[in-house]
Amino acid sequence: VQLEESGGGVVQPGRSLRLSCAASGFTFSTYSMHWVRQAPGKGLEWVAVVSFDGTNENYADSVKGRFTISRDNSKNTLFLQMNSLRTEDTAVYYCARVVEEMATTGPIDYWGQGTLVTVSS
Amino acid sequence: SYVVTQPPSVSVAPGKTARITCGGTNIGDKSVHWYQQKPGQAPVLVISYDSDRPSGIPERFSGSNSGNTAALTISGVEAGDEADYYCHVWDSPTDYVFGPGTRVTVL
Repeated sequence: VQLEESGGGVVQPGRSLRLSCAASGFTFSTYSMHWVRQAPGKGLEWVAVVSFDGTNENYADSVKGRFTISRDNSKNTLFLQMNSLRTEDTAVYYCARVVEEMATTGPIDYWGQGTLVTVSS
Repeated sequence: SYVVTQPPSVSVAPGKTARITCGGTNIGDKSVHWYQQKPGQAPVLVISYDSDRPSGIPERFSGSNSGNTAALTISGVEAGDEADYYCHVWDSPTDYVFGPGTRVTVL
């Protein structure tokens, strides 16, 4: 199982950024996926989850209305579209897999190495 | 949204036992998962569903959950166990919560 995030970088407040997570080594279309972030020197913060088939999404209150999680099962790729970015969105963003097939809840068994998003003017 | 608490730090001598708590209202009614994170690395699942140990995790790691407190216990602590530990809870219907984390220091 491999999860590889990309798309991070430095962006000004109010701008947008799109993160991608390329998945391999498992049947991507049967697992729900999360985005979890970690601000520098801080703890883990759940951001969003999408069901295995892309029909259900849930968001943390801190990003609701600004971020959109999606997936392309034909390309084994997870996305996070981030709009109206704020300085407090600065963090390492991890994509992560729910341990059980077809489940949305439950523990996370695989994490990517993360991609750093810095929101600064 | 559901709130969980963890002690910021726990210090333990090698060979002794470390107990890390995760507090929340009626957390015993929910499933709690625990992750270990070492500096510069992604988290690793060490306990799932309160007390299940994933493949490859040493028997020294165990978990419990009852009432308002869940706990991760590390027996016979080794230097390599020094890390941040996070509890993780799902609160119906859509709230996925991580605890603030506990730094375990091996003396």
